[in-house]
Order: sequence, then C-alpha cells, then structure tokens
Amino acid sequence: DGGITQSPKYLFRKEGQNVTLSCEQNLNHDAMYWYRQDPGQGLRLIYYSQIVNDFQKGDIAEGYSVSREKKESFPLTVTSAQKNPTAFYLCASSFRNQPQHFGDGTRLSIL
Amino acid sequence: GIQVEQSPPDLILQEGANSTLRCNFSDSVNNLQWFHQNPWGQLINLFYIPSGTKQNGRLSATTVATERYSLLYISSSQTTDSGVYFCAADYSGGGADGLTFGKGTHLIIQP
Repeated sequence: DGGITQSPKYLFRKEGQNVTLSCEQNLNHDAMYWYRQDPGQGLRLIYYSQIVNDFQKGDIAEGYSVSREKKESFPLTVTSAQKNPTAFYLCASSFRNQPQHFGDGTRLSIL
Repeated sequence: GIQVEQSPPDLILQEGANSTLRCNFSDSVNNLQWFHQNPWGQLINLFYIPSGTKQNGRLSATTVATERYSLLYISSSQTTDSGVYFCAADYSGGGADGLTFGKGTHLIIQP
C-alpha cells in the first residue's frame, strides 16, 4: 500500500536525551514536512524539505533537527534543547501544489 | 502574521442535522485543505480546494478566494462525523512550503 509510515507510535524521553522520530513515504513525493500538535490546538510547522539534501525551518524549529538524505525518508530529532517536547508529532508529504497527506503520528512524552 | 481563523470553535448537533463550518484566511492562498481528525489523532484529507466548490457524498466545500474564506458543509450528520475539523492554508508561491492551520472546530454529533 502507498502511504506514510511514522514510527514509533509512542515514545518516551528522559530529561537531557535526544530522540529521533522516523517518517518514511512510498508515494514518490518530493516534499516532506514535520508538524507539532499540542492538546486542543492546531498543527504548527517545525521543518520542511522540498528536495533531497535541502530543508528549511518552519515556525517552531528551535530544539529540533532534521535530515533529508533520501527522497523517502525525513527523520526528526528532538534535542535536549527542546524544553517542552511533549506533543503529538505528525509527518506529511506532497507533490508541489498538491494536497499534503499525513502519517498517523508519534506521541512523545517526558519521563 | 499570516492567520487562519475557524468558527465556531465548538459545535454540538443531533444526528441528522446539517452544519456549516467556516474558515477565514488573511492572504491569497496557493493551497487550502480541509481535514477531519478522528479520536485516534489520524488526520484525514477531506478536500483540497484553493478555489471553487467540491462535493464528496454528504460533505461539500466552497472556497471564495477573492473574499478569503472557505466553508465546509456537512449534511445529514452521523455520529461518526464527530471529531475536530481543521482548515489549513499554504500562502507560498512555491506550493510546497508547509501549511498554516487554524485551531479547528470540535464537532460532536449526538445520537
């Protein structure tokens, strides 16, 4: 099946740790995106990538890092610099000027 | 800054009722999408509608780009329509710069 796979579904982080969230797509989309959702809120853009080996900061990039070494993969690292990392993280992908499609998300909590 | 505003924030209806959800945006859009987020957090694409009118079963949407608003209509509501409905817009000229989300309309359909 074509789609976007995020893993893991649930992730726990200890204070001071970096954690990496995985996002893989087999839709051949050029662009990929990471969003954060806090309870009762809409989604906010963290990072996006329009092509391999290139990415741009979104509205709330501080404390996060990404890489785009392959077209299919866009992992997000939540670093220890992110002081309030507990949230629901959603990955999306799209062709240019086409609708974005979303994965099922990863819920990150702090131990 | 760029804004997407949704109304009403909350809506409670009886099964079988019709509803209209509104989305106002503050600038010309390249992309406008409506999503339904189910209780498990999955974000389901409803419409990609930067302008014009589209229908899909009991749901339809209209975007009037010149007046900077979009409407989502739900007819003959069912309990499975419950959840949060998001409107999101892409303001970039490139068509792949990420979406700005509204805060959503929380819809509850009572049996």
